[in-house]
Amino acid sequence: SYVLTQPPSVSVAPGHTARITCGGNSIGRKSVHWYQQKAGQAPVVVVFDDSDRSLGIPDRFSGSNSGNTATLTISRVEPGDEADYYCQVWDSFTDPVVFGGGTKLTVL
Amino acid sequence: QVQLVQSGAEVKEPGASVKVSCKASGYTFTSCGISWVRQAPGQGLEWMGWISGDSGNTNYAQKFQGRVTMTTDISTSTAYMEVRRLRSDDTAVYYCARDVPTGNWFDPWGQGTQVTVAS
Repeated sequence: SYVLTQPPSVSVAPGHTARITCGGNSIGRKSVHWYQQKAGQAPVVVVFDDSDRSLGIPDRFSGSNSGNTATLTISRVEPGDEADYYCQVWDSFTDPVVFGGGTKLTVL
Repeated sequence: QVQLVQSGAEVKEPGASVKVSCKASGYTFTSCGISWVRQAPGQGLEWMGWISGDSGNTNYAQKFQGRVTMTTDISTSTAYMEVRRLRSDDTAVYYCARDVPTGNWFDPWGQGTQVTVAS
């Protein structure tokens, strides 16, 4: 089955840029979606189809996808961005929905 | 607005069954599928399966085939997921999520239902 690999944690100071990666075999050929999950809450989609921002998501959030790595970039990080972030793709083999293991973003 | 509201927390003994509901509003229920995703304590998201909003067709993750059944009641715009033969490692928050019709992603998600399996 298809595997998505995310770093367990990323730390960044307020005002700086956070980059969260999602690795997968030829992931650039797939559409990647990103979810933000704050503590005790349900996930919320922030970026879909590699780089489209969901309604209400600030333009500080952006996505890219090429080769074997997709990246969620959060510019001018704020304390309220602290959360777990998950990437997700659709795979046409076996179990079609695949999530990455999640990345905990800590704002220092 | 589009909303999914799930049933309340459950505590079950090992070997029992649990059925979680997910009531949809704010959109045409038959136009979208519903996926179920669970999250064990301190762990990531795990997709369990999908059910069509109109036909009732299902697609279960291999891990859950034979132990999970997903159904819908179109008259009440409600999706259900039943897990049988519960084990302690089924303790998790269970989420329903709407499959966006134009793409294979999920929006919105229900608030989650805590299922605790303990003797």
